[in-house]
Amino acid sequence: GENVEQHPSTLSVQEGDSAVIKCTYSDSASNYFPWYKQELGKRPQLIIDIRSNVGEKKDQRIAVTLNKTAKHFSLHITETQPEDSAVYFCAASIDFGNEKLTFGTGTRLTIIP
Amino acid sequence: DAGVTQSPTHLIKTRGQQVTLRCSPKSGHDTVSWYQQALGQGPQFIFQYYEEEERQRGNFPDRFSGHQFPNYSSELNVNALLLGDSALYLCASSLGEGQETQYFGPGTRLLVL
Repeated sequence: GENVEQHPSTLSVQEGDSAVIKCTYSDSASNYFPWYKQELGKRPQLIIDIRSNVGEKKDQRIAVTLNKTAKHFSLHITETQPEDSAVYFCAASIDFGNEKLTFGTGTRLTIIP
Repeated sequence: DAGVTQSPTHLIKTRGQQVTLRCSPKSGHDTVSWYQQALGQGPQFIFQYYEEEERQRGNFPDRFSGHQFPNYSSELNVNALLLGDSALYLCASSLGEGQETQYFGPGTRLLVL
């Protein structure tokens, strides 16, 4: 089955700097890659997603890049703000999410004011 | 437009007992997936229901079972509870055909003593 690895497990950045979180997946059939943000005690919330037919997607300060050949994808957050502090999870799915999501182990991002 | 709701929010059980968790999907959604999130880990897929049938199942024992009702709401049942079943149980809903985004509920935190 699919396996998703996520790095780093913790990340601290100064407010205003950029943060990058990387994930690799094992199943070449995976074609949908969402990123979720989970604040303490709250539900995972989708922040951005990308399909395998696209190499990059951007939404304001957040971007995701996908390298299908290398089977890895990354989350980029620019101009970080204190409210970006949370745990971020990457996930992968075949059949564009109609199948199960396989999650990474999470990255705890701390923004230092 | 109501989002995904789950009940109860918290639950304490003892080993060997049985538990039922409930989920109401986002309005207009017909697919419900259940995930188990242990402390400090990413969500792990349990199973997915579509048209009242279990469409997919993750690597969980038969003690975990579910049901989907005609109104698309769903239940997760766990029998013979073990200490290791203590976790946050998340329900996610999506529109089964061609819409990949899974929206999560707030979860039910289960503690098994």
